[in-house]
Amino acid sequence: GESVGLHLPTLSVQEGDNSIINCAYSNSASDYFIWYKQESGKGPQFIIDIRSNMDKRQGQRVTVLLNKTVKHLSLQIAATQPGDSAVYFCAEKKGNTPLVFGKGTRLSVIA
Amino acid sequence: DAGVIQSPRHEVTEMGQEVTLRCKPISGHDYLFWYRQTMMRGLELLIYFNNNVPIDDSGMPEDRFSAKMPNASFSTLKIQPSEPRDSAVYFCASSLVGVSSPLHFGNGTRLTVT
Repeated sequence: GESVGLHLPTLSVQEGDNSIINCAYSNSASDYFIWYKQESGKGPQFIIDIRSNMDKRQGQRVTVLLNKTVKHLSLQIAATQPGDSAVYFCAEKKGNTPLVFGKGTRLSVIA
Repeated sequence: DAGVIQSPRHEVTEMGQEVTLRCKPISGHDYLFWYRQTMMRGLELLIYFNNNVPIDDSGMPEDRFSAKMPNASFSTLKIQPSEPRDSAVYFCASSLVGVSSPLHFGNGTRLTVT
């Protein structure tokens, strides 16, 4: 089930390496950011979030970094596994307005 | 927690027919969102509800699209009449109230209009 397009940027990494997925967001007033993972045939799945008063947040094998100066968000995945292969979306919002999603990056893990 | 439940998973219909997509949000969630995902445009917000009331439908493409939320546990998205360009994956998502509440998505309905 294709859920994303053929023209997404793609990141290929070796199994066991670390992955870094980048996102440039658009609204300097956004105060909440989320990373989602979407596997084929499924809906986007929440990975990790961060509020604008933070610049780093860690989860299990994942770290999100926020640089508000240049409106940049990144997702780091440690020890990438084949199950991490998916499309990753960043999303931003301001206050109670709805999330705005980026175009996505396809992560391909080479075993 | 059953998550957000959407039906049907796949829908194939002919141009001009009416299509109804269904969604059951997570119990207790105050917000419900309908998104459309296509190759060209990515994830687009169509409409969202707060406590069953439509808040913003500016993303609905045209009058052929309508959405309802008759109660806290059910919403529909209807397309009438359907056109081939409506072919996409339609997602429903729900969330709690609050500025830091992530969306929880269903697995979507893949619509094909021939």
